[in-house]
Amino acid sequence: GDSVTQMEGPVTLSEEAFLTINCTYTATGYPSLFWYVQYPGEGLQLLLKATKADDKGSNKGFEATYRKETTSFHLEKGSVQVSDSAVYFCALSEGGTYKYIFGTGTRLKVLA
Amino acid sequence: KAGVTQTPRYLIKTRGQQVTLSCSPISGHRSVSWYQQTPGQGLQFLFEYFSETQRNKGNFPGRFSGRQFSNSRSEMNVSTLELGDSALYLCASSSPDWQHSYGGYTFGSGTRLTVV
Repeated sequence: GDSVTQMEGPVTLSEEAFLTINCTYTATGYPSLFWYVQYPGEGLQLLLKATKADDKGSNKGFEATYRKETTSFHLEKGSVQVSDSAVYFCALSEGGTYKYIFGTGTRLKVLA
Repeated sequence: KAGVTQTPRYLIKTRGQQVTLSCSPISGHRSVSWYQQTPGQGLQFLFEYFSETQRNKGNFPGRFSGRQFSNSRSEMNVSTLELGDSALYLCASSSPDWQHSYGGYTFGSGTRLTVV
């Protein structure tokens, strides 16, 4: 079945460091890909999305490019802030199925 | 505009009891999904409703059920609670233009259920 694999956390960075969180997927069709962020005690917030190959999703300085050839959707940010500390989830959704398959989440901790 | 509202935020129940959780989607959203989040299993899809019809169901036992009302509000019910049902239950809603994953779901803050 479809699946999403994320890099293990936690990831600890200093403020202004470059961030990469790896995400790869397995899917039989042509899924849409998403990154969600969860802050402590809260639900998930959509960070960015890409619906077809080579699309780049971006929001709040975060970016991810849908790479069909490597089945990847890595999350990047050029300069992280303390406020970016949260858990990040990669997810896919097969067209028309209306459900997500989530990765296990990667906890990011940014130190001042 | 108001977000997805889940009630209650916290709940403590005893093994064997049943529980009902409520979700009010964003106004105009007709698709509502439920997810269970646990440290061990992560986020797992429970079911999805659209216009009062269940369209998708995850791999959970029959003790987990749900429904959607004509105003799109949704409830999920867990009967005969087990200790392993302790989790954060998240509801998410999506606008009618969610087609082939062009959109995205908006999640509520969740209901944290503890079974003792």
